[in-house]
Amino acid sequence: GQNIDQPTEMTATEGAIVQINCTYQTSGFNGLFWYQQHAGEAPTFLSYNVLDGLEEKGRFSSFLSRSKGYSYLLLKELQMKDSASYLCAVRDSNYQLIWGAGTKLIIKP
Amino acid sequence: DVKVTQSSRYLVKRTGEKVFLECVQDMDHENMFWYRQDPGLGLRLIYFSYDVKMKEKGDIPEGYSVSREKKERFSLILESASTNQTSMYLCASSTGGPSGANVLTFGAGSRLTVL
Repeated sequence: GQNIDQPTEMTATEGAIVQINCTYQTSGFNGLFWYQQHAGEAPTFLSYNVLDGLEEKGRFSSFLSRSKGYSYLLLKELQMKDSASYLCAVRDSNYQLIWGAGTKLIIKP
Repeated sequence: DVKVTQSSRYLVKRTGEKVFLECVQDMDHENMFWYRQDPGLGLRLIYFSYDVKMKEKGDIPEGYSVSREKKERFSLILESASTNQTSMYLCASSTGGPSGANVLTFGAGSRLTVL
């Protein structure tokens, strides 16, 4: 079966750095996505990785290792507004998205 | 600002009622999707559509149907609501044809409670 694993919940301190991991086992691979979802709101797109390596976008970076079936989202200089759920999704060989259950990130002052 | 609009944020229905969830996008996107989101689970795809009048079953289509009569509108229908359909329903759209879905733009969601 197809599976996406990510931690259920993480806590970090304002101003610090946090890394949210995502491991996957899917039928083929055509890209990995990270979305951010604030409570009660729509998920919004953060990043897309299809090749190995690090993609940096401001305070957020996303890393992919296809051989290891592994990605992480790195958030730097954490702000209170970063408190949200972070959803990892992999596009399989049929171009269908397989979603993880999401990681709830709690930022403390 | 581009948008996906879901007509109802909160609905309370009784078991056996017919429920319509409407979704409209203003981005001229080809692809539209209906997901449900439940605690502890990843988003699960109910139905999707790559074009007007086209529909494809997702992972959990049982108990649901859809309608896409116009490009901008994708409706989800629960013919006879049941308590296990209590959930958050998310509509999304994207560019691209059947060969690949691109970045999804989501609506704010419709929280349905079936009593």
